[in-house]
Amino acid sequence: GNSVTQMEGPVTLSEEAFLTINCTYTATGYPSLFWYVQYPGEGLQLLLKATKADDKGSNKGFEATYRKETTSFHLEKGSVQVSDSAVYFCALSSGAGSYQLTFGKGTKLSVIP
Amino acid sequence: NAGVTQTPKFQVLKTGQSMTLQCAQDMNHNSMYWYRQDPGMGLRLIYYSASEGTTDKGEVPNGYNVSRLNKREFSLRLESAAPSQTSVYFCASRRALNTEAFFGQGTRLTVV
Repeated sequence: GNSVTQMEGPVTLSEEAFLTINCTYTATGYPSLFWYVQYPGEGLQLLLKATKADDKGSNKGFEATYRKETTSFHLEKGSVQVSDSAVYFCALSSGAGSYQLTFGKGTKLSVIP
Repeated sequence: NAGVTQTPKFQVLKTGQSMTLQCAQDMNHNSMYWYRQDPGMGLRLIYYSASEGTTDKGEVPNGYNVSRLNKREFSLRLESAAPSQTSVYFCASRRALNTEAFFGQGTRLTVV
């Protein structure tokens, strides 16, 4: 079946530090890949997505590139801010007739001034 | 722009009580989902509805039932609540395969 593995948290960074959150996946077919962000007390909201190999999704300074050869979709940001403190989820939708959307366990990021 | 609306936001139940979590979306999406979120476990799919009139089990369906009342509404029912069902429940919807999902604000359920 489909699965998503993302790095364990929590991650604590100083403001303006570089962020990488690793995500690898197992899926049949040609999945679409997503990063969602969850701020405290809120639901998940889409951060970025990529629908085919070598696509780069980007939003709010965050980027992730769909690497089919390494089955990865790592999230990066060059300079984090305190306001980026949240839980980040990697997810995949495998298509191929499956309507399921599979999530990783989430990585909590705390950014300190 | 209501998006996905869940009710209630908070609920406390006694073991054995029943309740229904309501979810409605106003984006004309075809697919709807119920997830539970537990510490260290991420989001686990309970049930989903690929389209109006269909429902399917997800990863953790035991103890739950669902109804896709119409295209807008997808409810989750706990017939006899157990402490293991203490969790935050999220409803989501999406337009089609491989499109992004939109989430509600969640229902925090405590079973005592």
